[in-house]
Amino acid sequence: AQSVTQLDSHVSVSEGTPVLLRCNYSSSYSPSLFWYVQHPNKGLQLLLKYTSAATLVKGINGFEAEFKKSETSFHLTKPSAHMSDAAEYFCVVSSNAGGTSYGKLTFGQGTILTVHP
Amino acid sequence: EAGVAQSPRYKIIEKRQSVAFWCNPISGHATLYWYQQILGQGPKLLIQFQNNGVVDDSQLPKDRFSAERLKGVDSTLKIQPAKLEDSAVYLCASSLFGVREQFFGPGTRLTVL
Repeated sequence: AQSVTQLDSHVSVSEGTPVLLRCNYSSSYSPSLFWYVQHPNKGLQLLLKYTSAATLVKGINGFEAEFKKSETSFHLTKPSAHMSDAAEYFCVVSSNAGGTSYGKLTFGQGTILTVHP
Repeated sequence: EAGVAQSPRYKIIEKRQSVAFWCNPISGHATLYWYQQILGQGPKLLIQFQNNGVVDDSQLPKDRFSAERLKGVDSTLKIQPAKLEDSAVYLCASSLFGVREQFFGPGTRLTVL
């Protein structure tokens, strides 16, 4: 079984300040983890992914995330927020179990990021 | 490379009516997924196809939902009859066989009145 908890439903920051979106996961197997972003009326876009290589993962648009197995966390960060970062962000876990569960994505509830001028 | 295509983008129907959504995955992607995203929640997998065979439909309400993927390419998701709680965005995604990264279409927003 696998699950994802996004600890904040809404995060509000000022433009130019750091962004932190928190995610904890649970998985029976060594997981793959993703962050997706969804802008209004747009499809989900992959920001970054962790697949058991380096624990610090860099993604698009200056985002990065660190896989911490001891804390079962995969928090998303960005040093300086931009107005265009305002969107909804989803933390996602993928099963590495075999059979029909392989690759199945389980989404968190989402975090809405608001960026103020 | 063209992305995942979905149509229609928006649909409004009365409860008890029928509706169908269409998805065209990225060329060469053997695996196709349909998700339901209710407002304020993350997407939930409804059904997964591998080529034209169903891999996982454990979350599909089979009394009213059906899906098919003829010839292993395009797919159609149908709801018959629709209920108010079916109001959601229906997302289609595709991936290469054995690869976890999924590519998502823009979704179809369904409103059931």
